[in-house]
Amino acid sequence: DIQMTQSPSTLSASVGDRVTITCRASQSINTWLAWYQQKPGKAPKLLIYKASTLESGVPSRFSGSGSGTEFTLTVSSLHPDDFATYYCQQYNNWWTFGQGTKVEI
Amino acid sequence: QVQLVESGGGLVKPGGSLRLSCAASGFTFSDYYMTWIRQTPVKGLEWVSYISGTADTIYYADSVKGRFTISRYSAKNSLYLQMNRLRVEDTAVYFCARVGHGGQIDYWGQGTLVTVSS
Repeated sequence: DIQMTQSPSTLSASVGDRVTITCRASQSINTWLAWYQQKPGKAPKLLIYKASTLESGVPSRFSGSGSGTEFTLTVSSLHPDDFATYYCQQYNNWWTFGQGTKVEI
Repeated sequence: QVQLVESGGGLVKPGGSLRLSCAASGFTFSDYYMTWIRQTPVKGLEWVSYISGTADTIYYADSVKGRFTISRYSAKNSLYLQMNRLRVEDTAVYFCARVGHGGQIDYWGQGTLVTVSS
């Protein structure tokens, strides 16, 4: 199985900050990577797929990059609505998720 | 707009059975693979099973193989998960989700809680 490791597990930030979350795959997944945002009690929401393609309707302050085994999600300027938990997911070989990064104030 | 609404969760004893349903709307159901994913505070998000649009391709995670059965009924735009021989470790929120044409999961339901406990 492909393991996905996110860092950090928790990130303390303020409104307006630029934040970056890293996701590493245990083997190459090309660019078959998605990022999701989840708020408490809600379903995950797709933000980015194919490592860097922004899902329709997602604000442009979100961006993704990377290929192979190392990927990043960047929020260029945190909005109050962005405080949530973020997950990466590989879909190169079945589906596996990272353990999540909680972005908190 | 795309909507996925799960039902059927609840409390069940170890060894028992439960059937989850997912009502889909806002898209051509038979055009998409569908999947069940579960989430726990300890193990996080875990893929459980998926089924192709025509139901001719079905896969299960090793943790549920032989105990869970995924199915779909296009006439009712519905997805199902029959869960038998339930274990305490199957306790989770179960999400129904749509698989986009590129393989990413693009829409999720709100989830239904399954609790396996004596």
